[in-house]
Formats: sequence, structure tokens, C-alpha cells
Amino acid sequence: EDQVTQSPEALRLQEGESSSLNCSYTVSGLRGLFWYRQDPGKGPEFLFTLYSAGEEKEKERLKATLTKKESFLHITAPKPEDSATYLCAVQVSGFGSNYQLIWGAGTKLIIKP
Amino acid sequence: DTGVSQDPRHKITKRGQNVTFRCDPISEHNRLYWYRQTLGQGPEFLTYFQNEAQLEKSRLLSDRFSAERPKGSFSTLEIQRTEQGDSAMYLCASSEGAGPIGEQYFGPGTRLTVT
Repeated sequence: EDQVTQSPEALRLQEGESSSLNCSYTVSGLRGLFWYRQDPGKGPEFLFTLYSAGEEKEKERLKATLTKKESFLHITAPKPEDSATYLCAVQVSGFGSNYQLIWGAGTKLIIKP
Repeated sequence: DTGVSQDPRHKITKRGQNVTFRCDPISEHNRLYWYRQTLGQGPEFLTYFQNEAQLEKSRLLSDRFSAERPKGSFSTLEIQRTEQGDSAMYLCASSEGAGPIGEQYFGPGTRLTVT
């Protein structure tokens, strides 16, 4: 069964303390992996698309990387405004669906000033 | 461009009542998605429209749920005979027809509470 697992469930960091969030996937065939940020009471906001192992994308303090089994979202010198839940989703080939994404449950990131 | 909008933002209803939600996607986006999200979980796919055609619907979705997208613009999601288990955030998203499926723009959601 295709599955996406995110860890940790929650992560508390001090401002400036760099760390990484993990998204591991077990799927029959990966067509794309997507990272989103979600603030409380709002819809998710798209961050990155990754297609193949070795690919990296960067935006401000965030960098997303992809291997054959997992993706990491690295956050460098975070600020309190980076506090949010970070979600990953995958699009799978051979899933019987062209349009569904499989979502992880998210990592809640809290950055303390 | 004001982004994806949803109405209402909050809805409280009694069990057994019908509710309808509206989504207005980004104007040039021909793809539209509905999701349900509960606390501590990622979004759960409900249905997908390309223009006015409903191309995909979750196999897990009860037949109490129905969605429409007349004329390929706004969309509505109706839940009939609501149950307490329907309480959740209902999210709408849209995306460009030529872009990756996973690059979606979400609205603020409609929070449904069934009492």
C-alpha cells in the first residue's frame, strides 16, 4: 500500500537553531513530491516540487532534497515566523489515479524567540 | 488575482441537515479539487474537476457527498444528512491545466461543525 510518513510529529527549536524535517514514502512509482506549509486555520501553501533523486530546491531559509526513499526539508537559522505545520504529498504512478495526492500528516514546527 | 475563496468560512449545523459550500478558484485555473482535513492530519482527497467535468471521486466518499462545477468556474460541495463524523475543515484548491498536479493553490477552507 502506498504510504507517506512524516517525522517528527512536532519539533520545537530555538530561533537560529537549524534542523531537518523528514518525509519518507513507500510507493509503487513516484511521479512527484510536493512540500507545503500550513498556518493555523488556513489552507496549505505550496512550497516546492521535487521529481527525481538528487534534486534540491531552495527558498529563503528552506531547502528541500529528495532521495529514492525520502525527502528532507532543511531549515537554516529559523525565525519565529517559520512556525507552521509542514506537509508533504506525493503523486504516484500506477495508483489508479491521475489526480490524487497521498499526503503525510505533517510536522508541526515551533520556533521560539 | 485574489486567490481561491471559499464561503462560508464557518458552518454549524445539526445532525441530519444538508449543507452546501462554495469555492471560487483562481480565474485562469481549470483544475479544481476538494479535500477534507481533520485535526492533526493531512488533507484527504474528495474529488477533482477539470473544467466542468468531474473526472475523479474518492472511492471512500459517501454518496451523501456531491459536487458540481457548472460552466467550469465556481464549484459547490453538498453534504446531505450530515453526521457528526462529517465535522472537519473542507478545503478547495485549484491549479493550472499545464502545471504539475501537486502545485495547488488552496483556499482558506470552510470549517464544518455538526452538533
